[in-house]
Amino acid sequence: GQNIDQPTEMTATEGAIVQINCTYQTSGFNGLFWYQQHAGEAPTFLSYNVLDGLEEKGRFSSFLSRSKGYSYLLLKELQMKDSASYLCAVKDSNYQLIWGAGTKLIIKP
Amino acid sequence: NAGVTQTPKFRVLKTGQSMTLLCAQDMNHEYMYWYRQDPGMGLRLIHYSVGEGTTAKGEVPDGYNVSRLKKQNFLLGLESAAPSQTSVYFCASSYSIASGQENTGELFFGEGSRLTVL
Repeated sequence: GQNIDQPTEMTATEGAIVQINCTYQTSGFNGLFWYQQHAGEAPTFLSYNVLDGLEEKGRFSSFLSRSKGYSYLLLKELQMKDSASYLCAVKDSNYQLIWGAGTKLIIKP
Repeated sequence: NAGVTQTPKFRVLKTGQSMTLLCAQDMNHEYMYWYRQDPGMGLRLIHYSVGEGTTAKGEVPDGYNVSRLKKQNFLLGLESAAPSQTSVYFCASSYSIASGQENTGELFFGEGSRLTVL
């Protein structure tokens, strides 16, 4: 079966750095997405990786290793507004998105 | 720019009642999707559409029906609601289903519809 694993919850301190990991087992691979979802709101697109390596977007970076079935989302200079759930999703060989359950990130002052 | 709009935002139903959720997008996207989101689980695809007049089943289609009579609208119907259908429903749209270096195929989501079935 197809599977996306990510930690259920993480806690970090304002101003610090946090890394959220995602491992996947899917039928084929056509890209990996990270979305941010604040409580009670819709998911919003953060990043996309289709080739191995690091993609940087301001305070957020996302890394992909296709051979290891592994990605991480790196958040730097954490702000209170970064408290949210972070969803990892992989597009399989049929271009269907397989979603992880999400990682709830709690930022403490 | 409204993006993706869902109505209603909240609804309480009794078991056996029927209802329709409406999704509208103003981005001229071909692809539209209905997901449900339950605690501790990833988003699960109910039905999707690759263009006006076409629909297809997703991962959890039972108990739901959909229609895409106009390109900008995607309707999700519950014919006979059950407590197991209590969930938050998200509509999404995308320009493309494929992804590549030039086009992410990212999804744009509506704000969600919280449905409770008693």
